[in-house]
Amino acid sequence: AQSVAQPEDQVNVAEGNPLTVKCTYSVSGNPYLFWYVQYPNRGLQFLLKYITGDNLVKGSYGFEAEFNKSQTSFHLKKPSALVSDSALYFCAVRDGGAYNTDKLIFGTGTRLQVFP
Amino acid sequence: SQTIHQWPATLVQPVGSPLSLECTVEGTSNPNLYWYRQAAGRGLQLLFYSVGIGQISSEVPQNLSASRPQDRQFILSSKKLLLSDSGFYLCAWITGQGFLETQYFGPGTRLLVL
Repeated sequence: AQSVAQPEDQVNVAEGNPLTVKCTYSVSGNPYLFWYVQYPNRGLQFLLKYITGDNLVKGSYGFEAEFNKSQTSFHLKKPSALVSDSALYFCAVRDGGAYNTDKLIFGTGTRLQVFP
Repeated sequence: SQTIHQWPATLVQPVGSPLSLECTVEGTSNPNLYWYRQAAGRGLQLLFYSVGIGQISSEVPQNLSASRPQDRQFILSSKKLLLSDSGFYLCAWITGQGFLETQYFGPGTRLLVL
């Protein structure tokens, strides 16, 4: 069965410093991996995805993520954090072998707090 | 353009009352549709998904049900709400194949059961 783990409930970082939000996954086939951001009282916004190809994926708002197959990880990163990045971040995985009919499984979310 | 609508945006209901949340999509045909729930301070839990009209898969046993009466309509229902049904409900759809796969999420419905 597919699963996603986000080991940190909250990540605190000072503005201007690099940030990392961790995600590990488990899937039987080829993983399709996604990051979403949720601002207070809002729906989810897509940040980036890994389907195939280059392990380093660049997305919206300066975020990027690195797919590491040997460590089954897909950590979200940003070189320089902004206060406006403070939000709830979700990692998600789907089994790519199921060809668009299988479900998307989300992690429990990590709250990112960026301090001025 | 492809959009996804949910209503109502906010709902306060007494325990034991019925529920109907609606999700509709535009700009696509035969989408795979999903209902998620986010309880306060918790992650997203997949409730139901549907790959076509009348086709519903339930992920967890619960007090809720789902229906797909039309291609672009997905409804979440309950006959009698429980306190534990409170949460933020998100409808989503996946479109595209392979590298073009994209998920769209609706704005959500915040449900408070009292």
